[in-house]
Amino acid sequence: QQQVKQSPQSLIVQKGGISIINCAYENTAFDYFPWYQQFPGKGPALLIAIRPDVSEKKEGRFTISFNKSAKQFSLHIMDSQPGDSATYFCAASIWDDKIIFGKGTRLHILP
Amino acid sequence: DAGVIQSPRHEVTEMGQEVTLRCKPISGHNSLFWYRQTMMRGLELLIYFNNNVPIDDSGMPEDRFSAKMPNASFSTLKIQPSEPRDSAVYFCASSRTGGRSPLHFGNGTRLTVT
Repeated sequence: QQQVKQSPQSLIVQKGGISIINCAYENTAFDYFPWYQQFPGKGPALLIAIRPDVSEKKEGRFTISFNKSAKQFSLHIMDSQPGDSATYFCAASIWDDKIIFGKGTRLHILP
Repeated sequence: DAGVIQSPRHEVTEMGQEVTLRCKPISGHNSLFWYRQTMMRGLELLIYFNNNVPIDDSGMPEDRFSAKMPNASFSTLKIQPSEPRDSAVYFCASSRTGGRSPLHFGNGTRLTVT
């Protein structure tokens, strides 16, 4: 119930393409869904976050789509660039409690 | 703002030895988290503190692991005795108020137990 399931494990996308990473959860009490980006040798850093009262949030080339009834949310990276190559983690939390992370997706953008 | 500072960056030790990882959170942050990252299990939450008090340690693998936060500016994660399966990258993160605030991660400690 506390898990966040993330897919795919790895993803290769051509430069300029759309990268899509999906996550699913079971616990309907989750009310905050952030995405973190991690570069090699660094800790993860917050990329974008959404609350379940909206279905979509966009920041530049990054968009979160949220489907409350399906208990799924996804990250879309438009016009993917080689600099976007990193590991991406979806996550979920309840109020100000601990954050539960998915297992991560290693994204590689081909130049 | 210096960010979250972890030390050491790398630690290589032999099985059975004691290992101590250190973390200095961002000043003014009230919550501190210890995570472990492996390829197989991803980012696992080990323990988190709020205002220096341990709130949830259900992720601590076993009694060999212990964590302390004696004051608002310092925390340690200790493994005694260490085992090869403890090899991983250990991250410390801090936030203003728990999970709703952005987590600020340190650069991690890569632990290798031989």
